[in-house]
Amino acid sequence: EPEVTQTPSHQVTQMGQEVILRCVPISNHLYFYWYRQILGQKVEFLVSFYNNEISEKSEIFDDQFSVERPDGSNFTLKIRSTKLEDSAMYFCASNSGGLNTGELFFGEGSRLTVL
Amino acid sequence: AQSVTQLGSHVSVSEGALVLLRCNYSSSVPPYLFWYVQYPNQGLQLLLKYTSAATLVKGINGFEAEFKKSETSFHLTKPSAHMSDAAEYFCAVTSTGGGNKLTFGTGTQLKVEL
Repeated sequence: EPEVTQTPSHQVTQMGQEVILRCVPISNHLYFYWYRQILGQKVEFLVSFYNNEISEKSEIFDDQFSVERPDGSNFTLKIRSTKLEDSAMYFCASNSGGLNTGELFFGEGSRLTVL
Repeated sequence: AQSVTQLGSHVSVSEGALVLLRCNYSSSVPPYLFWYVQYPNQGLQLLLKYTSAATLVKGINGFEAEFKKSETSFHLTKPSAHMSDAAEYFCAVTSTGGGNKLTFGTGTQLKVEL
């Protein structure tokens, strides 16, 4: 069964460092998303991406964040200068769009720890 | 704007007892509603979804949920809890078939006791 894959599963970084989280969405999907979950809190929307551009972003997704689809398969989230409060689990998701039911398929997440 | 409210951040039941996890939604357009489950140190797995067809929706692992428009609710139930059901459960809402984000509730941690 097709699945969304994310790397790395866990990354530890120093405050101020750049981090890139990678995702390979399901191959025929058209919409891509990043969510995050701070420990013990709810899953929060960060950004959605369609047709090679951001379609929606939340207040969390400030200038320190960027997304890119550098080739036909990867979808990346970059945090330019990490802060302690960026420590969270980051989930990538994808959706086929069109007449589907709105269901998102999630990866297993990348845990980011900022020291 | 859409939102979901999950009543009860922690629910504890005995093995074999009924599981009831509550979710109420707010949406200005007909919603699509979902329940996701998250086991420890894992990602989000879809349990079931409501997409304007049958109001009683059956999902995996014996769970089901009923969409009640008059009550703006989408509560999750399972007749008999199993130890393996212990996890965090998230209710989520979106409004169209594709391209729109899911908005999640705050989650309910289900504990199953012997």
